[in-house]
Amino acid sequence: KAGVTQTPRYLIKTRGQQVTLSCSPISGHRSVSWYQQTPGQGLQFLFEYFSETQRNKGNFPGRFSGRQFSNSRSEMNVSTLELGDSALYLCASSPVPSAGDEQFFGPGTRLTVL
Amino acid sequence: GENVEQHPSTLSVQEGDSAVIKCTYSDSASNYFPWYKQELGKRPQLIIDIRSNVGEKKDQRIAVTLNKTAKHFSLHITETQPEDSAVYFCAARGGANNLFFGTGTRLTVIP
Repeated sequence: KAGVTQTPRYLIKTRGQQVTLSCSPISGHRSVSWYQQTPGQGLQFLFEYFSETQRNKGNFPGRFSGRQFSNSRSEMNVSTLELGDSALYLCASSPVPSAGDEQFFGPGTRLTVL
Repeated sequence: GENVEQHPSTLSVQEGDSAVIKCTYSDSASNYFPWYKQELGKRPQLIIDIRSNVGEKKDQRIAVTLNKTAKHFSLHITETQPEDSAVYFCAARGGANNLFFGTGTRLTVIP
C-alpha cells in the first residue's frame, strides 16, 4: 500500500497570500488529521476530517480551514498568511477516527512565509 | 482540552545506556498514548503505543509504562544505539479523538 502523500513538499509565499495544501491518505483510510509543526510549539492539532465532515478543530484562527472530498483526500487552506505561519504541515490518516487507531503521517509540506 | 507535558527536552546518553522520557497529561478521559520517533527531515513514525487498560508494554528494546492514577507515562529505551538518535514525541488521545502531542525530546546517543 502506498503511504500518505502530501503536495507540494515545499512552498514559499509572501505575507497576505493564501495557500492550499493537499493530503492523500492511505487507501481505505477515511480519517485525515492535520498538524502544524514548529520548533517552538512542537506538533499542534489543526483539525480532523472524516466522511467529508470536520469532526474536531484545534485552537487555530479562522484563517485555517480545510475540507475532505468523497475519496477521502483532504485539503487545508490558510488565508492572509502571516510570518508565524511558517511551519511544517503534516497530515496523518487512520482507518476511522476512533481512539486507539495508529495515525500514519505524511512527509509534510514545508511552508515558508516571507 | 488535553495538555501534554514532556521532559526532558534534550537527553544525551552513552551508547549502551538506557534513556527514559516522561510525559504527563491532564485529561482523565485520555485512553490512548502513542510515542512517535522523528528523525531529521523525516515524518513522525509510531514506535510503540499503550492503551489505558494496560500498565506496561514492551517491544524489544523499547517499553512504555502508564500510570493512570498519576496521569503520567514514560518511554524506556534500553541498550541505546546511535540510530536511536532522533526527536521523540509522546501524545495522548481522549474523548475528542484527536492527538495532543508533547513538545518533544531530542535524544542523542553518543558512540
